Order: sequence, then C-alpha cells, then structure tokens
Amino acid sequence: DGGITQSPKYLFRKEGQNVTLSCEQNLNHDAMYWYRQDPGQGLRLIYYSQIVNDFQKGDIAEGYSVSREKKESFPLTVTSAQKNPTAFYLCASSRKAGDSADTQYFGPGTRLTVL
Amino acid sequence: AQKVTQAQTEISVVEKEDVTLDCVYETRDTTYYLFWYKQPPSGELVFLIRRNSFDEQNEISGRYSWNFQKSTSSFNFTITASQVVDSAVYFCACWAGSYQLTFGKGTKLSVIP
Repeated sequence: DGGITQSPKYLFRKEGQNVTLSCEQNLNHDAMYWYRQDPGQGLRLIYYSQIVNDFQKGDIAEGYSVSREKKESFPLTVTSAQKNPTAFYLCASSRKAGDSADTQYFGPGTRLTVL
Repeated sequence: AQKVTQAQTEISVVEKEDVTLDCVYETRDTTYYLFWYKQPPSGELVFLIRRNSFDEQNEISGRYSWNFQKSTSSFNFTITASQVVDSAVYFCACWAGSYQLTFGKGTKLSVIP
C-alpha cells in the first residue's frame, strides 16, 4: 500500500539528548514536511523540502534539523537546543510544493516525550 | 499571511444529530485553497476536502457537506446524522501562494451514543 510511515510511534528522550524521527513515503511525492502539534493547537511547520538535497525552515525551525538525501525519506532530528520538545510530530508529503496547493497527506505521527 | 479561525473549541452532539463546524479564514490573496482534515484519536490527519477560491459550489460527499461563502470568508463543514465514528478533531486549513498550509486550532467533536 502507498503511504507515509513514521517511526517510532512513541519516543522518550532524556534532557540533553538528540533524537531522530523517521519519515518515509512511497507515494513518489516531491515535497515533504514536518509539523509539530501541541495540545489544543493547530499544526506548526518546522521544515519542508521540495526536492532532494534541498530544504527550508518553517515557522519554528530553531532546535531542529533535517536532511533529504533520498526522495522517499525526510528524517527530523530534535536537538538538545530545542527547549520544549515534548509534542506530537507529524510528517506529510505532497506531489509538489512551492506555488502549488497540492494536497498534503500525513503520516501517523510520533509522540515525543522528554523525561 | 493567512489566518484561520475555528471558534468552536469543543462540540458534543448526540448520535444522529446534525452538526456544523465553523471555519473563518483571512487572506489577501485572490487565489487560495481551503482544506478540511480529520484527526481521529489515533493521531493521523485524514484529508477530507480541498476547495479553490474560484469554486463556490457547495460540495456533498455522503453525510459530509461543505458550504463555501467568499462573502463571509467562511468554509463550514456539516456532518449529517452524526455517528460515533465521527468523533475526532477537525482542522480547517488555508493555502495562499506560499509553501505552507496555515491551520486553525481545530474543533474537537464528540458524538455521544
């Protein structure tokens, strides 16, 4: 089945540690996105990538890093510089990005808790 | 920049009742797209509908219908004969010529059996 997978579903981190969240898609989509969701809030964009080896910061990129070495993969690293990383992280992809309003499709999410 | 307001934080209805979720958007662009997503308790956002600013026709899909009114900048979502499986958080979002979707804060719908 085509879709977006995220792993792990739950992740626990000690303060001061970096952690990497995985996102893989087999939809052959060019664009991929990372969002953060806090309780009672909408989604906020962390990073997005329109093409392999290229990515741009979203509204809340501080304390996060990404890479896009393969079209199907867009991992997110939450660094120790992120002051309040406990949240639900959602990965999405769309056929194109930029000046196109292609529908974004979402993965099942990763819930990160800092202990 | 766009802004999306979902004034209803939580709504509870009894099964089989109709319910309307409100969405008001703000954008200076003449070309824009509006979306609705459903987030069940499992967490994954499920795409429901995408509508562009030039198409004001209402849309119906089974028990779901959407009312787009440019005059009031609203894109409301109605569920007819609600079911327990409709219980979820529903998000309205707007795209207007940039790289990102702007989401509202969501409306939590609880359908009571």
